[in-house]
Amino acid sequence: DIQMTQSPSSLSASVGDRVTITCRASQDISTWLVWYQQKAEKAPKSLIYAASTLQSGVTSRFSGSGSGTDFTLTISSLQPEDVATYYCQQYRNFPYTFGQGTKVEIK
Amino acid sequence: QVELVESGGALVKPGGSLRLSCVASGFTFSHYYMAWIRQAPGKGPEFVSCIFHSGGTVYYADSVRGRFTISRDNTKNSLYLQMNSLRADDTAIYYCVRAVDGGDSWGQGTPVTVST
Repeated sequence: DIQMTQSPSSLSASVGDRVTITCRASQDISTWLVWYQQKAEKAPKSLIYAASTLQSGVTSRFSGSGSGTDFTLTISSLQPEDVATYYCQQYRNFPYTFGQGTKVEIK
Repeated sequence: QVELVESGGALVKPGGSLRLSCVASGFTFSHYYMAWIRQAPGKGPEFVSCIFHSGGTVYYADSVRGRFTISRDNTKNSLYLQMNSLRADDTAIYYCVRAVDGGDSWGQGTPVTVST
């Protein structure tokens, strides 16, 4: 199985800060990567697919980059409504596998 | 718009069985491959199973292979998960997911608790 490793596991930042989350795959997954946002008691919501394509309706504050084994999710200006846990997931091979999550809080 | 509604979750004893259902609307169900993904309390999501358009190709996580069976009825726009020999570590919210680009649409989830 492909292992996905996210860092950091949690972060606290101020409103307006630029926030970056990284995700590393244990083998080359090209750009077969999706980023999810999960708010408390809700289902995950797809933000970015194919590593860098913004899902329809998602604010352009979110952006993704990377290919191969190293990926990043960036929030350009952190807002209170961005408080959530963020997960990366590869869909290069079955079984799909997820990172362990990054919890984002407001300082 | 895309809507996925799960049902069938319940409290069940270890060794018991459950059948989860998911009714889809807002898209042509038979054109998409579908998945079940679960999330245990306080944990990240975990892939359970996936089924391709016609139902001829399926995949399972190692942790459920031989115990769970995924199926679909394209005439009813429905996805199913038959779960047998349930264990405590199967306790989770089970989500029905349209598996486009990794998972572009998720249902609200149905909770399964395996406990005495």
